[in-house]
Amino acid sequence: KAGVTQTPRYLIKTRGQQVTLSCSPISGHRSVSWYQQTPGQGLQFLFEYFSETQRNKGNFPGRFSGRQFSNSRSEMNVSTLELGDSALYLCASGSPAGGRETQYFGPGTRLLVL
Amino acid sequence: EDQVTQSPEALRLQEGESSSLNCSYTVSGLRGLFWYRQDPGKGPEFLFTLYSAGEEKEKERLKATLTKKESFLHITAPKPEDSATYLCAVQDKMDSNYQLIWGAGTKLIIKP
Repeated sequence: KAGVTQTPRYLIKTRGQQVTLSCSPISGHRSVSWYQQTPGQGLQFLFEYFSETQRNKGNFPGRFSGRQFSNSRSEMNVSTLELGDSALYLCASGSPAGGRETQYFGPGTRLLVL
Repeated sequence: EDQVTQSPEALRLQEGESSSLNCSYTVSGLRGLFWYRQDPGKGPEFLFTLYSAGEEKEKERLKATLTKKESFLHITAPKPEDSATYLCAVQDKMDSNYQLIWGAGTKLIIKP
């Protein structure tokens, strides 16, 4: 079974621009979560989508948004980029079964904002 | 408030020197505790899930154990390729959305 894939793997943007990141979950998984990871802050939860609905949201400004499509693929958008948005953005997919769910991560998208 | 604390922050060992990493947690009720391994610049790799106190799981040189308040990741005779950051996360049984609460991680360095 193919794992979680994320595109692009690397991005360089300038302040004020916007960016869209894509995540394809493991086949059959309906849940997609997004995280931001920086050296100083560790893994910070952005939001989670399940069956095209946002199920959970972390404490990030409205510049960060996401969506999920009917095939469970998900996109994350960041508008008006700031230097502090430079980070590794990780996507994880899961599928609840019997009251249990394990998340599996993709390789991440490294975003550098200049 | 749900909380996960990992210790130590960093651990340097000689190759073959066994040790343990700790993950202590505070949740209303534990749905599951997860261990991941993360190499620099890569996504976390799933290692184990533990669901109830007394449960143990093993994979190669790693063994995870769980009590009602903490989990240990025991590393037996580690090799340099075991060097990574090990992350612990928990799911609260009261959260119907399966959100993970993460620890800050333990950076493990195995010297040859």
